[in-house]
Amino acid sequence: QVTLKESGPGMLQPSKTLSLTCSFSGFSLSTSGMVVSWIRQPSGKSLEWLAAIDWDGDKYYNPSLKSRLTVSKDTSNTQVFLKITSVDIADTATYYCARSTIAVFAYWGQGTLVTVSS
Amino acid sequence: DIQMTQSPPSLSASLGETVSIECRASEDIYSNLAWYQQKSGKSPQLLIYYASSLQDGVPSRFSGSGSGTQYSLKISGMQPEDEGVYYCLQGSKYPLTFGSGTKLEIK
Repeated sequence: QVTLKESGPGMLQPSKTLSLTCSFSGFSLSTSGMVVSWIRQPSGKSLEWLAAIDWDGDKYYNPSLKSRLTVSKDTSNTQVFLKITSVDIADTATYYCARSTIAVFAYWGQGTLVTVSS
Repeated sequence: DIQMTQSPPSLSASLGETVSIECRASEDIYSNLAWYQQKSGKSPQLLIYYASSLQDGVPSRFSGSGSGTQYSLKISGMQPEDEGVYYCLQGSKYPLTFGSGTKLEIK
């Protein structure tokens, strides 16, 4: 059974660095073709793909945020991390991680709400 | 980036009615198009992938079609549980991009 779960700080101040963790089970990120992505959704708005890391350790970023994003994974291939630097109010959103094979997201986490506020 | 233009923004349908949602890509995405349903407070759920393949467990009243830059999702016989917001996603090229969403309600 594939499950993913996001965790994060809940709330943080502008200009800080947001650190998110995606913990998953039921698959290994070392398996060929596996990719874990981060996607976010401000309240009442559409979805925005942020970044991905694949089974080979290759990383992909949304150019609109690339300079602020860092995606990584742990050596046991059971967690994926996302850091977003210099957050501001516009980064307030629910952040999801999702597993894909060839860009089809069949499995999503429940999402974690991050609020940026002073 | 590939832009996904989704229409209509909202839709109201009667029970049993057939509805269609469209997505147009700014360039050929070679059928790398998926449709998702999102209910309030929940994560998106995959309905259709590769433009027309039905995800396991998804009712057969959902169908997808299209090629090149034009794609559509059809619900043949609206049911109460089909209320929600529907999104298309192109998986042809990074950065992956979603449509703006279609809110579907029961009339």
